[in-house]
Amino acid sequence: DTGVSQDPRHKITKRGQNVTFRCDPISEHNRLYWYRQTLGQGPEFLTYFQNEAQLEKSRLLSDRFSAERPKGSFSTLEIQRTEQGDSAMYLCASSSGTTPNLHFGPGTRLTVT
Amino acid sequence: GENVEQHPSTLSVQEGDSAVIKCTYSDSASNYFPWYKQELGKRPQLIIDIRSNVGEKKDQRIAVTLNKTAKHFSLHITETQPEDSAVYFCAARALYSGGGADGLTFGKGTHLIIQP
Repeated sequence: DTGVSQDPRHKITKRGQNVTFRCDPISEHNRLYWYRQTLGQGPEFLTYFQNEAQLEKSRLLSDRFSAERPKGSFSTLEIQRTEQGDSAMYLCASSSGTTPNLHFGPGTRLTVT
Repeated sequence: GENVEQHPSTLSVQEGDSAVIKCTYSDSASNYFPWYKQELGKRPQLIIDIRSNVGEKKDQRIAVTLNKTAKHFSLHITETQPEDSAVYFCAARALYSGGGADGLTFGKGTHLIIQP
């Protein structure tokens, strides 16, 4: 399967702990996006990379959130001092520079207890 | 920033009938409008998209129309089948010369239920 992959698929953590998620995009895609989706809502944009450069960040991305894409391939999203409101599905997507179609990964479901 | 409103939130139709989902957007600079289908427990997948230089696009039983003046676009599914049951999301964004879709803004989704 050469689609977008995410790890882990599920994460349960206690409030106040830090968590890190990983996304591996489709190999030839230079653009990578992070979205957050809660039950009954559409995906909400968090941040976007073109190669290793983080080009756009939503105001939803508080200072507890940080994302990296150090070599322009995989990306990590870290949430520090997690809160119950962070519980959501975190979706990663990638696209090429020639087409705007987003290919989503399966998501990481975060539950903060 | 962009704001996308989608309705209805739930739509139930008889198998074989047509379904229409409508979205409005706020940013006149938006020029790319995709529709995604998300089945229960699965990732969103693109089903059709339209750019602002055309008013309508069709792909078999699915069509999308765009009215730039009114800032609204619609998804039309004809001859609905049980496998069409899913949540459908519209989205909007301005595309730049590079062609990528930066930070799509999604609607809240429509749960389409196909009644047998």
